[in-house]
Amino acid sequence: GAGVSQSPSNKVTEKGKDVELRCDPISGHTALYWYRQRLGQGLEFLIYFQGNSAPDKSGLPSDRFSAERTGESVSTLTIQRTQQEDSAVYLCASSLEPEETQYFGPGTRLLVL
Amino acid sequence: DQQVKQNSPSLSVQEGRISILNCDYTNSMFDYFLWYKKYPAEGPTFLISISSIKDKNEDGRFTVFLNKSAKHLSLHIVPSQPGDSAVYFCAARISPDKLIFGTGTRLQVFP
Repeated sequence: GAGVSQSPSNKVTEKGKDVELRCDPISGHTALYWYRQRLGQGLEFLIYFQGNSAPDKSGLPSDRFSAERTGESVSTLTIQRTQQEDSAVYLCASSLEPEETQYFGPGTRLLVL
Repeated sequence: DQQVKQNSPSLSVQEGRISILNCDYTNSMFDYFLWYKKYPAEGPTFLISISSIKDKNEDGRFTVFLNKSAKHLSLHIVPSQPGDSAVYFCAARISPDKLIFGTGTRLQVFP
């Protein structure tokens, strides 16, 4: 079956612009996660959605970052007024249930000039 | 404050030999550990995991060892194959919904 997909695969933007990243999880997966990987660093947890529960936003680095998820389907991560330090690979993962294995998408490589 | 550390950024091993990737952690509350493998331009893929109640888990050529007293785990790949060349991330679960990842070790297996 189809895995987790993300779009766009690459995004170059100018400092100060807003960007929107999209994640399509595996069908039927109730949990969805966003991570960020900066150059030379590990994956950094950003936000977690589980069913209709309130999302865990504890990893969002600033109020410029927000995310939404419609039911148990698509999620979008929005970064407003992008800064150069936002340049990273943004990875989305989904799992059948919270404690189950997380399956990752290929990521969106964001470059802020 | 890096709670999961992979102190070796890279490792080079000859095909057929054993690859040992190491990971240290600081939080004794972690109850589950995972290894992920990542190829360039792809997302990480799950490789193997171990619960904190065990000290070893084996899956084919891959074995993970956990030493709770030392807060250390390792991934053994034997025999190593060129297709194993990738970046390997160690991760620890602190809650049902949260994994903390290390910075990764790039493994290169040469013929």
